[in-house]
Amino acid sequence: ETGVTQSPTHLIKTRGQQVTLRCSSQSGHNTVSWYQQALGQGPQFIFQYYREEENGRGNFPPRFSGLQFPNYSSELNVNALELDDSALYLCASKRGRGETQYFGPGTRLLVL
Amino acid sequence: AQSVSQHNHHVILSEAASLELGCNYSYGGTVNLFWYVQYPGQHLQLLLKYFSGDPLVKGIKGFEAEFIKSKFSFNLRKPSVQWSDTAEYFCAVTYSGAGSYQLTFGKGTKLSVIP
Repeated sequence: ETGVTQSPTHLIKTRGQQVTLRCSSQSGHNTVSWYQQALGQGPQFIFQYYREEENGRGNFPPRFSGLQFPNYSSELNVNALELDDSALYLCASKRGRGETQYFGPGTRLLVL
Repeated sequence: AQSVSQHNHHVILSEAASLELGCNYSYGGTVNLFWYVQYPGQHLQLLLKYFSGDPLVKGIKGFEAEFIKSKFSFNLRKPSVQWSDTAEYFCAVTYSGAGSYQLTFGKGTKLSVIP
């Protein structure tokens, strides 16, 4: 176990709906990143938060947004869900810029 | 865009066989390299990492990897696999400069070990 927790574990939504996924980082970690892992693929970077500010973003549209809170926990919000958003969403935390990222168990999202 | 290639999609081995999984990355600058493993039903776990120094790095559970800068490679090896090594293995890299915070992953190699 890495100490990174995510909720919920599974979620089913329909197209057009909105979803919020949550992540609690490992103690002492101030940086949280989110990744999308589609079936049969490696994780793809969505964005990273450091001290409550987004400081990096991958190739994802603006309907993917996030927040980081003072306790360094984080949320991933996805608006206007599409079928292709069905995936495992992973949260990872780390202590600082050059450090190793530690992953949570993920939230599996199914969009119907 | 930077990329990571893992050459084998699915590898099937018998117990005690030796393992080598290939990984190549596209960036010519300074990199940090990682191998993560995802056991069935479990989260991604770090196997080993290379930041600098000795290009032969040892990780958990008897795994090792060798960084060969001239070949842009970071292959994972284990001399004798066990059934419990059945999992999916991901090579990942972070690059220096802009965007260095993100991990870029390969598509993964599924390893099945037959008892």
